[in-house]
Amino acid sequence: NAGVTQTPKFQVLKTGQSMTLQCAQDMNHEYMSWYRQDPGMGLRLIHYSVGAGITDQGEVPNGYNVSRSTTEDFPLRLLSAAPSQTSVYFCASWDHTGELFFGEGSRLTVL
Amino acid sequence: EDQVTQSPEALRLQEGESSSLNCSYTVSGLRGLFWYRQDPGKGPEFLFTLYSAGEEKEKERLKATLTKKESFLHITAPKPEDSATYLCAVQVANDYKLSFGAGTTVTVRA
Repeated sequence: NAGVTQTPKFQVLKTGQSMTLQCAQDMNHEYMSWYRQDPGMGLRLIHYSVGAGITDQGEVPNGYNVSRSTTEDFPLRLLSAAPSQTSVYFCASWDHTGELFFGEGSRLTVL
Repeated sequence: EDQVTQSPEALRLQEGESSSLNCSYTVSGLRGLFWYRQDPGKGPEFLFTLYSAGEEKEKERLKATLTKKESFLHITAPKPEDSATYLCAVQVANDYKLSFGAGTTVTVRA
């Protein structure tokens, strides 16, 4: 079982560059989300989706865009990367039970 | 505003030395409280969900309990393989999102 798959696992960007973090799940979950994890701050919600075509902002949405054209995919776009976006990014999906299934994470460094 | 606070930030235990982690929360209408385990370089892995005060759940050396204000994760006779960061999260009624605490990093020495 693949579960939640994130790519790439590592990425280095220069300030101002844009990129997309990919996330795909094969569990037919309605709900998907993106978190960032920084030392001492825990997991903070960036954006989430409750179904195809429906997205909403989380706690720290600035500088990020999302879309949900299919149930399976939920890409996260960085529009103009900044050093403050250096972090580890986790994609998660869940069903009505609330139990989140996480990907392995994408480690992003912005120089 | 919903808040989740975990303590201590770090916990160093000797193998076999039982201890407890705390997760205190301030939310309006709790739907569920979740515990996750995270190993270095990995995504969090689900452990337990608790829904109502007084509820308890166990898995091997771990036992989670819930009151109206906090949850405890008890580690009984820990082994080195229990070393990880333990995350607590809450889900409120009429919402889909989980809010996480900062985590407690547990190190168990042989």
